[in-house]
Amino acid sequence: QKEVEQDPGPLSVPEGAIVSLNCTYSNSAFQYFMWYRQYSRKGPELLMYTYSSGNKEDGRFTAQVDKSSKYISLFIRDSQPSDSATYLCAMSDNAGKSTFGDGTTLTVKP
Amino acid sequence: DTAVSQTPKYLVTQMGNDKSIKCEQNLGHDTMYWYKQDSKKFLKIMFSYNNKELIINETVPNRFSPKSPDKAHLNLHINSLELGDSAVYFCASSQVIGTSGGATGELFFGEGSRLTVL
Repeated sequence: QKEVEQDPGPLSVPEGAIVSLNCTYSNSAFQYFMWYRQYSRKGPELLMYTYSSGNKEDGRFTAQVDKSSKYISLFIRDSQPSDSATYLCAMSDNAGKSTFGDGTTLTVKP
Repeated sequence: DTAVSQTPKYLVTQMGNDKSIKCEQNLGHDTMYWYKQDSKKFLKIMFSYNNKELIINETVPNRFSPKSPDKAHLNLHINSLELGDSAVYFCASSQVIGTSGGATGELFFGEGSRLTVL
């Protein structure tokens, strides 16, 4: 079983929809949780970073971490065509061992 | 100014050849990485260097040899290329690292070098 499992997608939603992207993990040592966005033919770029359970909001994006359930989510409100990309969850422990999810490809249709 | 730049962007070559990819970062970070992304978008760490010293080597065949001439540069040389080496190779850097040298903070990625082995 993989340490990090990400909902595979692909996901296609109409513009304005709320999008929910999810990852589960099995390694209790993971302390740092990140979401990266990767546009086609580009490198991943950090979208959200958190190290505690709870919610973190940044504009239309909300990252949610539930350490007791070993579950993280990224919510996108009022999704836009420019949000179309692959979203990768990533997590690491204090030693810096980091693992990425397989990515979920999102398409937002105008 | 591009923070992490890698060259070339595209490489097409025959099986058995040797090729190199170069990476430079101007962020002043001490730690640089090579990641491999397969066709299914799975990103896996290959190597990590901290201030020119190899600190992570994730069971990569020894046909892959990284070299860091200084902390701003990390190159990857691949010998005797195989079909399975076809992938996108990303260079990355970070400032916040954990006790084993891997990133606990943000990773800054280059745009990738797409290698196709025929």
